[in-house]
Amino acid sequence: QKEVEQNSGPLSVPEGAIASLNCTYSDRVSQSFFWYRQYSGKSPELIMSIYSNGDKEDGRFTAQLNKASQYVSLLIRDSQPSDSATYLCAVNPDNYGQNFVFGPGTRLSVLP
Amino acid sequence: DTEVTQTPKHLVMGMTNKKSLKCEQHMGHRAMYWYKQKAKKPPELMFVYSYEKLSINESVPSRFSPECPNSSLLNLHLHALQPEDSALYLCASSQEPGSAGELFFGEGSRLTVL
Repeated sequence: QKEVEQNSGPLSVPEGAIASLNCTYSDRVSQSFFWYRQYSGKSPELIMSIYSNGDKEDGRFTAQLNKASQYVSLLIRDSQPSDSATYLCAVNPDNYGQNFVFGPGTRLSVLP
Repeated sequence: DTEVTQTPKHLVMGMTNKKSLKCEQHMGHRAMYWYKQKAKKPPELMFVYSYEKLSINESVPSRFSPECPNSSLLNLHLHALQPEDSALYLCASSQEPGSAGELFFGEGSRLTVL
């Protein structure tokens, strides 16, 4: 069974610090990886997608992918209280299906 | 603002009612999805439509009936639901089936079954 794992948290960081969120996946052939942010009571919002090994930066967010280690991470620089949310890691196990597999999510709390 | 629109945002229904959830996207996407999400859990896939045809049904009970009238619209018909079906129902779309593209969610319909 294809699995995506994340630390459930809560992960607490002070305002202005770097928040580091981690995700591992079981299906070695997975090709597409996504990070979603979900505020309480709201729907998931796509914040990053990454397909190749290495780093991808978008503003304060950096996604890192290491396919050999089956590991994807999200760094949030200069964390703000508004970043407090649950972050879902999602993996598309192959490029021909639509069955995205979601991790359980990590709850991030940024303390003012 | 999301380009996937869901209505209604909130729905309360009894176990004998029939209701429908509606979803519309204007991004030209050809794959549309229904997910169910319970509190503090990740989204759980229910159905996928690719090019308006049902391509994935994750063994969902027949009291949930999906319909895709055209490439922009997706409905979820609800009948004889149980209280445990209370959840946030999320519609999503992606560009091309099998393109490994990004999944975009609507704001969700929060369903309460009494």
